[in-house]
Amino acid sequence: GDSVTQMEGPVTLSEEAFLTINCTYTATGYPSLFWYVQYPGEGLQLLLKATKADDKGSNKGFEATYRKETTSFHLEKGSVQVSDSAVYFCAQGGSEKLVFGKGMKLTVNP
Amino acid sequence: DGGITQSPKYLFRKEGQNVTLSCEQNLNHDAMYWYRQDPGQGLRLIYYSQIVNDFQKGDIAEGYSVSREKKESFPLTVTSAQKNPTAFYLCASSIAVLSYNEQFFGPGTRLTVL
Repeated sequence: GDSVTQMEGPVTLSEEAFLTINCTYTATGYPSLFWYVQYPGEGLQLLLKATKADDKGSNKGFEATYRKETTSFHLEKGSVQVSDSAVYFCAQGGSEKLVFGKGMKLTVNP
Repeated sequence: DGGITQSPKYLFRKEGQNVTLSCEQNLNHDAMYWYRQDPGQGLRLIYYSQIVNDFQKGDIAEGYSVSREKKESFPLTVTSAQKNPTAFYLCASSIAVLSYNEQFFGPGTRLTVL
């Protein structure tokens, strides 16, 4: 079945460091791809999405590009802030539901 | 403000008791979902509903039940048959059950079985 594999961490970075979180998917065809973020004690919020190959999703300084040739949707941010500390989930659209990766906990220290 | 509400935020139950978690949305969404989140396992789908009076089992439905009598509401009952119910439960909704639709999440309910 469809699955999503992402870096699981946990990862600790210093403020202003560069962030990459790898995500690969296994669905056939052209699934929509999502990054969600979960702040401590809260539900998930959509961070960004892409619906077709070569699309770039971006929000709050985060970016991810839909790469069909490598079945990847890696999340990047050039300069992280303490407020970016959260758990990040990659997800792909299945036939009737989203398939999530296991999530990666990021801690950013001042 | 439109959104999804879940209540209560924290819930404690004795082993062997059934408990119902509330989920309400005012986004006028047709589709609603229940997920279970455990440390290191990501989100796992319990049940989902495409429309009122209709719902389907997800990946881990055993020990759970749902109803969808109103468009706005999708309560989840954790029954005594669920062997390991302690977890964080998340409700979500989307415009429809289609793969490209964003899902909107509630704040979650943390259930602890004593």
